[in-house]
Formats: sequence, structure tokens, C-alpha cells
Amino acid sequence: DAGVIQSPRHEVTEMGQEVTLRCKPISGHDYLFWYRQTMMRGLELLIYFNNNVPIDDSGMPEDRFSAKMPNASFSTLKIQPSEPRDSAVYFCASSLWNLGYEQYFGPGTRLTVT
Amino acid sequence: GNSVTQMEGPVTLSEEAFLTINCTYTATGYPSLFWYVQYPGEGLQLLLKATKADDKGSNKGFEATYRKETTSFHLEKGSVQVSDSAVYFCALRLNTGGFKTIFGAGTRLFVKA
Repeated sequence: DAGVIQSPRHEVTEMGQEVTLRCKPISGHDYLFWYRQTMMRGLELLIYFNNNVPIDDSGMPEDRFSAKMPNASFSTLKIQPSEPRDSAVYFCASSLWNLGYEQYFGPGTRLTVT
Repeated sequence: GNSVTQMEGPVTLSEEAFLTINCTYTATGYPSLFWYVQYPGEGLQLLLKATKADDKGSNKGFEATYRKETTSFHLEKGSVQVSDSAVYFCALRLNTGGFKTIFGAGTRLFVKA
């Protein structure tokens, strides 16, 4: 399996622009997680899905952030409008209930908002 | 609330030195415990895990024992290599209420040749 795939790997955008990050989980996995990593705040869980349904979005910082999972093989995290403080590395991870729920992380998207 | 506390880094060691990275947790119920490793420019990878008290997780020469009495899960390795240089994250997964995983702040390890 190719592992969790994220795109783009790097994104540079200007403040106020819309940003869409994409994730393809490992085939067959039923959980998908979105994390944000910064030096100041470490690794933060933003939202996670089970069988394409959002279960906990309490980590989404504000209404500018939204996430969708239209099917089992694709998820998006959208920021609109983006702000400089959104600059971070965003990770997607997936897991499967009968693998002990270990999470498999993608390589991340490094977002820079200028 | 539920949380994970790790020793602050960076930790700098010479090759073949003994490594300990401390991790303690606070959780309701009986969580599963994990150590993940993040190499530069990559996502986190599971290093080892333990699902109940007194379990020992081990992988690639690393090991950690789930100590319920001290609520700890310290990571150890007897002889580190330069290739072990990375950031190490302790984490717990609650076994109820949605299976959320809570990560510690991470400890950066530098190993010098």
C-alpha cells in the first residue's frame, strides 16, 4: 500500500486566500484524523472521522476551518480565509479498528500564509 | 482531564549511550499507550505500544513498560545510534468516548557520532 497520501506537500499563499488540503487514507481504514503541528502548540488534533462521519471537531480552531470526507478514500481540510497564524504543518492520519487503532500518518502539508 | 507530559528536549547523546525519555500520563479509565517517532520532514510513525498495565512494548531496540502505579511509560534504549536522531512523542488513546489519541509535546533527540 502507498500509505497515507497528502497534497500538496508545500503551500504558500497570501492572507485572505482560500486553502484546501487533501488526504487519501490507507485503503480499508475506517478512521481519519487531521492534525496541526506548530513549534508553539505541538501536535493538535483538529477533527476526526469514523466511516466518513465527523465524530469530534472540538479541535477546529474557528469557523474559518472546515473538513469534509465525501467518501472513504478522500478528505479535505479547508481554510477560508487564511491568516498568517494558520502557518503550520498539517498532518492527516488513518487507522483501522482491528489494528489496535495505531495511526498511520501522511508526510504532511507545510502551509505558509504570508 | 486527560494529558501526556514528556521531558523537555532537546536531549543530546553520544553514539552508544543509554537513552531514557520520561513520559507520564493522566487519564480516566485504562488507556492504551504509544510511542511515535518523527524523522525530519516526515510524518509520525508508530514505534511501540502497550495496551494494559505491566505490558512492555518493544521495537528496534527501544522499549517501554506500562506502569499503572506510577502512571508512566518511559522510553529506553540501551545503545543509541546517529540514525535514532528524531522527535519522539508519547501518546495515549482512550478506550472509551470515541478513541481519541492525545499526544505529548515531543522530545527531540540528537545523537552525535
